Amino acid sequence: NAGVTQTPKFQVLKTGQSMTLQCAQDMNHNSMYWYRQDPGMGLRLIYYSASEGTTDKGEVPNGYNVSRLNKREFSLRLESAAPSQTSVYFCASSEGIQGNTEAFFGQGTRLTVV
Amino acid sequence: GENVEQHPSTLSVQEGDSAVIKCTYSDSASNYFPWYKQELGKRPQLIIDIRSNVGEKKDQRIAVTLNKTAKHFSLHITETQPEDSAVYFCAAGGAFKAAGNKLTFGGGTRVLVKP
Repeated sequence: NAGVTQTPKFQVLKTGQSMTLQCAQDMNHNSMYWYRQDPGMGLRLIYYSASEGTTDKGEVPNGYNVSRLNKREFSLRLESAAPSQTSVYFCASSEGIQGNTEAFFGQGTRLTVV
Repeated sequence: GENVEQHPSTLSVQEGDSAVIKCTYSDSASNYFPWYKQELGKRPQLIIDIRSNVGEKKDQRIAVTLNKTAKHFSLHITETQPEDSAVYFCAAGGAFKAAGNKLTFGGGTRVLVKP
C-alpha cells in the first residue's frame, strides 16, 4: 500500500517549458487535490477533484491545468513554466467528496523554473 | 466558499511549556476540523481531528477544542518537546456542495520549541 505517489520528486525547467506532474493513489479515494507550498509555509490549493469526472479551481489556478484521468490518477500540467511557479507541489487525496475526511499527502515535487 | 484564518504565524515556546494555535472559519456548515503537522522537508500529516458534534478531543499531549457558535477551533500542545518543532496547519471542511467540496487550510503556524 503506497498511499499517494507523486512523480517526479525534483525537476528543473527553463522558462517557457512545459511539464506534467503525475499523482496516483491506491486507497480508492474519491477526492484528489493539488497544492503548492512556497518558502514560508502556506499550502495554496491549485485545483481539486471531488470525484472522478469533476475538477474545480482552487485559490491559484492560473498557469495550470489538471486532468482526473481515472479514480486513481490526477495530473497537473504547466503549459509554459514561469519563475513564479518555482515551488514545492503536493498532491493529496481523501475518501470523502465533501472535504470531510483525512487528506493524505504525497511526498512532494520540488520544482525550480530558471 | 470557506475561509480559514490561523494565528499566530510563528510561535516560540520553551521546552515544557504549552503551545496554543487558534483558527477561525467562515462557513457555519463546515463540520470537520483536522490539524496537520509538517516537519521540515516532509509532507503534512494528520495529528488530530474533530467533528462538529464534539466540543473537545484529546490524544496524549495534544488536544483540540471547537466552538461552533463562535466558529473557532484551537490546538493545544502541552509539555512541549523539541520534536514538536514543525509547521502546523488547521483546516475546515464538510459543508455540503452538490458537486463535491474541498478541505480548506489555514496559513500555517511555525512552532519552535527551545530546549
